[in-house]
Amino acid sequence: GENVEQHPSTLSVQEGDSAVIKCTYSDSASNYFPWYKQELGKRPQLIIDIRSNVGEKKDQRIAVTLNKTAKHFSLHITETQPEDSAVYFCAASIGSGNTGKLIFGQGTTLQVKP
Amino acid sequence: DAGVIQSPRHEVTEMGQEVTLRCKPISGHNSLFWYRQTMMRGLELLIYFNNNVPIDDSGMPEDRFSAKMPNASFSTLKIQPSEPRDSAVYFCASSYKSVAEAFFGQGTRLTVV
Repeated sequence: GENVEQHPSTLSVQEGDSAVIKCTYSDSASNYFPWYKQELGKRPQLIIDIRSNVGEKKDQRIAVTLNKTAKHFSLHITETQPEDSAVYFCAASIGSGNTGKLIFGQGTTLQVKP
Repeated sequence: DAGVIQSPRHEVTEMGQEVTLRCKPISGHNSLFWYRQTMMRGLELLIYFNNNVPIDDSGMPEDRFSAKMPNASFSTLKIQPSEPRDSAVYFCASSYKSVAEAFFGQGTRLTVV
């Protein structure tokens, strides 16, 4: 069925280190993969997304890689800072056109220790 | 644009009461999504609309839940009767098409006692 698995569920790193969060999806037709950051008590907000026609996308300290063959994608945060501490969600599209939707992973709680 | 607007921000109600959550999507967006967030189940998609038409309500947990979108600028999610296990944060999100960046509202924190 429609499923997005996200790992790890919690991640603790020292400030300045890198953090990697991984997701796998089940629908081989998925073609849109956004990542959202949710700070405590706030709404999820998009931080980066990638479509299936590219393998990697970078925006300053964050990058996303996509392996369509293996059906997995990852979020990479370099030079982590305390303000990166939040819950991160991956998502994958199911369907297309006007009937598509996003299915979210379970979330990863990232703690960056100063 | 003020973004996706949800009301109320917080709702505390007694078991058995009817609860109505409201959402105003971003103007020009034609897809609207209702999500429920809990610690145990994460972000669950309950139902979504495209051009005001419900497309998929397979995530609605049971018949106590219903959603409507009477026009492009307003949607409601109703729970009747409410139960303590319905306690969660309910998010509404909209996007300009169904598979694109979803913009979330601030959420409604529902507590059923």
